[in-house]
Amino acid sequence: RKEVEQDPGPFNVPEGATVAFNCTYSNSASQSFFWYRQDCRKEPKLLMSVYSSGNEDGRFTAQLNRASQYISLLIRDSKLSDSATYLCVVGGGGADGLTFGKGTHLIIQP
Amino acid sequence: GAVVSQHPSWVICKSGTSVKIECRSLDFQATTMFWYRQFPKQSLMLMATSNEGSKATYEQGVEKDKFLINHASLTLSTLTVTSAHPEDSSFYICSQPLRGPTDTQYFGPGTRLTVL
Repeated sequence: RKEVEQDPGPFNVPEGATVAFNCTYSNSASQSFFWYRQDCRKEPKLLMSVYSSGNEDGRFTAQLNRASQYISLLIRDSKLSDSATYLCVVGGGGADGLTFGKGTHLIIQP
Repeated sequence: GAVVSQHPSWVICKSGTSVKIECRSLDFQATTMFWYRQFPKQSLMLMATSNEGSKATYEQGVEKDKFLINHASLTLSTLTVTSAHPEDSSFYICSQPLRGPTDTQYFGPGTRLTVL
């Protein structure tokens, strides 16, 4: 069974700190990788796609390690507004649609 | 990104009633839309893939006669929860893929269903 696993947290982090999450996936044939953000009682919203070469968007950096089948998300200079649940999402490899992790809950404290 | 709307945003109903949820693609046509369900503190679970003009494809364990999907136009897919029971209470979300089924998906705002 295809799985995407994340540490559920919560991660309590002071404002301004750097925080990193990891996610592992079991289907080695997976082809697409994303980080989504979900606020409480809201729909998920795409944060960034994850590419083999790694990619950066402002304070957010995503890395993919295909050999070890894990994906990471780094948030620098964290803001109060970064408080949310971060979903690791994997697609492809024979799966229909996308497979979601349960999410990592991040709380940024003032 | 794509704009997807859902209606209603929340609904409370009595056990045994049927509830219809609409999912609309507002800015481009969608031959495929996805329906997910999310229980508290759980991940999104794909229920079914809605295909315009043909039958929906249901995931294993999802009862097609209980969760009726209709995708009659390129901008509208509906999910009807028939004879709803308390265990059907959940957050139902539709999504539209940017391109293929494993590409970026844009989600509707979700419908929170509470069955008493």
